[in-house]
Amino acid sequence: GAGVSQSPRYKVAKRGQDVALRCDPISGHVSLFWYQQALGQGPEFLTYFQNEAQLDKSGLPSDRFFAERPEGSVSTLKIQRTQQEDSAVYLCASSLDTYNEQFFGPGTRLTVL
Amino acid sequence: QKEVEQNSGPLSVPEGAIASLNCTYSDRGSQSFFWYRQYSGKSPELIMSIYSNGDKEDGRFTAQLNKASQYVSLLIRDSQPSDSATYLCAVSGANAGKSTFGDGTTLTVKP
Repeated sequence: GAGVSQSPRYKVAKRGQDVALRCDPISGHVSLFWYQQALGQGPEFLTYFQNEAQLDKSGLPSDRFFAERPEGSVSTLKIQRTQQEDSAVYLCASSLDTYNEQFFGPGTRLTVL
Repeated sequence: QKEVEQNSGPLSVPEGAIASLNCTYSDRGSQSFFWYRQYSGKSPELIMSIYSNGDKEDGRFTAQLNKASQYVSLLIRDSQPSDSATYLCAVSGANAGKSTFGDGTTLTVKP
């Protein structure tokens, strides 16, 4: 079956631009997670949704980061006024429910110049 | 101190040997434990999940959990060059759906 998909796979932005990253979870998966992964480090939690409800956004690094999942399926992570320190791979994962195994998408590599 | 600690490695083993990867965590309320494999330039791929003390075996992989010692490990038997990757340990707490990851251990299996 289809796994988690993310788009775009690569994004280059000039500092100060806004970007939007999309995640399409596995069909039927209730929970959706966003992580940020810097080179040589493990994924760092950003936020997660159960259906359309954003239950935890404690990992969002600043108010420039915003995530939504309006219909409980596709999710968008938006970064406003990008900075060089935002350069990383952004990973989306989904799971059947909150405490089940998470399955990751291929990630979006964001480079801010 | 990070919430989830792993030896960064690199860990090098010969083909056919047993590779042992270790992970410790700080939150005693943690309930779910996962091992992911990540090839260079790829996203994490789930290998094993374990929820209760003891051993769990799946093919060449065995996960071991000791909640009293706050320790979880992954054994890879009959290691193959294709097992060369970074192995990430992830832990989920009782009241949070998020997983907290270690920084991974890089494993190299030499032919």
